[in-house]
Amino acid sequence: IAGITQAPTSQILAAGRRMTLRCTQDMRHNAMYWYRQDLGLGLRLIHYSNTAGTTGKGEVPDGYSVSRANTDDFPLTLASAVPSQTSVYFCASSDGDPRDTQYFGPGTRLTVL
Amino acid sequence: QKEVEQNSGPLSVPEGAIASLNCTYSDRGSQSFFWYRQYSGKSPELIMSIYSNGDKEDGRFTAQLNKASQYVSLLIRDSQPSDSATYLCAVHILTGGGNKLTFGTGTQLKVEL
Repeated sequence: IAGITQAPTSQILAAGRRMTLRCTQDMRHNAMYWYRQDLGLGLRLIHYSNTAGTTGKGEVPDGYSVSRANTDDFPLTLASAVPSQTSVYFCASSDGDPRDTQYFGPGTRLTVL
Repeated sequence: QKEVEQNSGPLSVPEGAIASLNCTYSDRGSQSFFWYRQYSGKSPELIMSIYSNGDKEDGRFTAQLNKASQYVSLLIRDSQPSDSATYLCAVHILTGGGNKLTFGTGTQLKVEL
């Protein structure tokens, strides 16, 4: 069982380019999440999905979009990257109950120049 | 006021000592609390979860929760160099719907030989 996989592991991107970060889980979890982690700011929620077909905005959604076409996949798209989106991005999943653990993927390190 | 607050550290303790990590939160209705450990360059992994007032022990780790004081802590007994990491406090915040966690910025722990 792989858990959660993310791709790419790292990426350098020119400002203005479009980029999709991929996230796949094999735990059949209902809920999935995207966070960004920046030094001094901790983990901040970008978007979430409580179940396939639904998505919601987190704390810092501007400049990002998500889709949840099925249970396993939850891609995050930057339509036109800006340098302030340089960060480490983590995907996570859980069964969806408030007591459930969120399990994290290995992360994607994104640099926007 | 931040929703979840932690002292950023670094907290330095000698090997074999007890490390005490603290976290306060603002939402009185929060019911679920988590401690994650994050090694440098890695993703967060769950150490402990706690839902009721009092102590919860798991091996060398003890989580303590005081909902009246809006305070949750993590004690690490017999600290080892391998415990050196950043510890993230996460709280399930009820506002906004969905199973969303709000993370503190983390406390860096250094266990010295």
